[in-house]
Amino acid sequence: QQQVKQSPQSLIVQKGGISIINCAYENTAFDYFPWYQQFPGKGPALLIAIRPDVSEKKEGRFTISFNKSAKQFSLHIMDSQPGDSATYFCAASKYGGSQGNLIFGKGTKLSVKP
Amino acid sequence: ETGVTQSPTHLIKTRGQQVTLRCSSQSGHNTVSWYQQALGQGPQFIFQYYREEENGRGNFPPRFSGLQFPNYSSELNVNALELDDSALYLCASSTRLFQETQYFGPGTRLLVL
Repeated sequence: QQQVKQSPQSLIVQKGGISIINCAYENTAFDYFPWYQQFPGKGPALLIAIRPDVSEKKEGRFTISFNKSAKQFSLHIMDSQPGDSATYFCAASKYGGSQGNLIFGKGTKLSVKP
Repeated sequence: ETGVTQSPTHLIKTRGQQVTLRCSSQSGHNTVSWYQQALGQGPQFIFQYYREEENGRGNFPPRFSGLQFPNYSSELNVNALELDDSALYLCASSTRLFQETQYFGPGTRLLVL
């Protein structure tokens, strides 16, 4: 069974702190690893994504770190803000595999306290 | 905003009934995928449509079916509703087959009683 395991389930961070969410995958054929942000009552929105040929990708306050040998990747949110409070999902897919469907983790509910 | 819209926003049905959920993608997005998101879980892939044909299916029974229309709209149909079908149903569109970047709509919250 293809799986993406995400931790922690919930996270509380003070404003200005660093939020770190981790994911591990099993299928070495996966070649695309996005992170989605979901606010209550909304659909998931793509935040940032990485491919396994790079070890890190940064976009503003959001950074993905990727460890191919460990089959792990993580999302770092620097200078966390109350507006970042949302549920974050990691996902993985294989180009062309199962027509490119995304396999999602179970999500991390982030709360940033003012 | 992703430009992907879904209707209705909420729906209540009774076990055994049938339901049709609708999605409208952006112009030019010829690939649409449907996902089921149970409460507290990540979305699970139901199926994908490309140029009006089913192009991949996840681990969902045949009572989940779909249609895609030339005007970039699509439907998810679920027959013989079960209590476990209660979930948020999301559609996601992309501009071409095998493009990983998928743009999600806000979802339809279905409650089966």
